[in-house]
Amino acid sequence: NAGVTQTPKFRVLKTGQSMTLLCAQDMNHEYMYWYRQDPGMGLRLIHYSVGEGTTAKGEVPDGYNVSRLKKQNFLLGLESAAPSQTSVYFCASSATGTGGTYEQYFGPGTRLTVT
Amino acid sequence: RKEVEQDPGPFNVPEGATVAFNCTYSNSASQSFFWYRQDCRKEPKLLMSVYSSGNEDGRFTAQLNRASQYISLLIRDSKLSDSATYLCVVNDRTSYDKVIFGPGTSLSVIP
Repeated sequence: NAGVTQTPKFRVLKTGQSMTLLCAQDMNHEYMYWYRQDPGMGLRLIHYSVGEGTTAKGEVPDGYNVSRLKKQNFLLGLESAAPSQTSVYFCASSATGTGGTYEQYFGPGTRLTVT
Repeated sequence: RKEVEQDPGPFNVPEGATVAFNCTYSNSASQSFFWYRQDCRKEPKLLMSVYSSGNEDGRFTAQLNRASQYISLLIRDSKLSDSATYLCVVNDRTSYDKVIFGPGTSLSVIP
């Protein structure tokens, strides 16, 4: 039982390049989330999904797209990377929405630098 | 005003000390409250939920004051392994995008 995994762990992009971050969970969770964490800012929600085939915008969705074609996977795409997207990206999943008391399980993070 | 505020610290305390963190939130509709722990360059992990009547888990005690809109975390008999950043999290249950993480409070427990 691996929990939540993220690939890649590190990545350096040049401005304008694109990439996809992959998140996978093996806990059969319905809900999945993508966050970014910047120093002094706390975790901010980018996009989330309440089930296979559904996605929704979070607090800071601009410049990102997501897809949830399979229940266990949640992909985050950057179409044209910008230096402002340099951050640590965390994926999380939970058994239900965070409106309940079920905890969120986080992946180990992806450290992305855009030059 | 930020939706969730925490004293960033760092709090540097000796082993065995008692330390308390506060967190304030601005949305009076918030209904769910949590403390997460995040070790350096690692992912956040749930430490404990915070219930209206207050709750305790070993050396950790969490309390909620709805009238003043703050939650607290008390750590007794601090251990070196308690060194981490503690994140306050609130949610108003009306929308999944209304889970708000505080910026965190850094704790260093010194031998």
